Amino acid sequence: AQKVTQAQTEISVVEKEDVTLDCVYETRDTTYYLFWYKQPPSGELVFLIRRNSFDEQNEISGRYSWNFQKSTSSFNFTITASQVVDSAVYFCALSLYDYKLSFGAGTTVTVRA
Amino acid sequence: AAGVIQSPRHLIKEKRETATLKCYPIPRHDTVYWYQQGPGQDPQFLISFYEKMQSDKGSIPDRFSAQQFSDYHSELNMSSLELGDSALYFCASSGRTKLAGGWEQYFGPGTRLTVT
Repeated sequence: AQKVTQAQTEISVVEKEDVTLDCVYETRDTTYYLFWYKQPPSGELVFLIRRNSFDEQNEISGRYSWNFQKSTSSFNFTITASQVVDSAVYFCALSLYDYKLSFGAGTTVTVRA
Repeated sequence: AAGVIQSPRHLIKEKRETATLKCYPIPRHDTVYWYQQGPGQDPQFLISFYEKMQSDKGSIPDRFSAQQFSDYHSELNMSSLELGDSALYFCASSGRTKLAGGWEQYFGPGTRLTVT
């Protein structure tokens, strides 16, 4: 069975600081998909990124960047120059061929002005 | 762009009552998923449908049932409601028409169910 671990429960930073969210996953499958979702206080789940197990390229999208390392089974997420609007719960998730998502426990990010 | 629509957004029911949650996927998406998120918890997979057939089942109580209709919308029926059923229920949709698998699931805004 697969498992996603987000060891950081809460992170609090001051605006403009960088913040890195850790995600470690476990699976015996060689083909899998990794995701990050953002859940702001309003409650909706916003898709941020999907990564396939055979694509270890890191990705940058604006102030967001992701570091995927199969050797350490990690898929970390960094927010550069954080803003108050980044305050949310961030979930890392994993899916196999069956597509259903297994979520980590989430990391609550609070950005203070 | 069109998103996943869920109705109602909020629902208050009493114990032992029934509830029906509706989900309208993004146009042309052929797969619907239901998740339950308890307070302070991560979303848990309940059930999914692909092309109107149940494709997978998670930790869904026997009191719950779901189906996907010919227009691809889905309904989650919950009977004999318990206090513990109070949660945010998400519907997500995705498409499987591309060559690579594991297409991202786009979530609806959720239905907040409160059982009193």
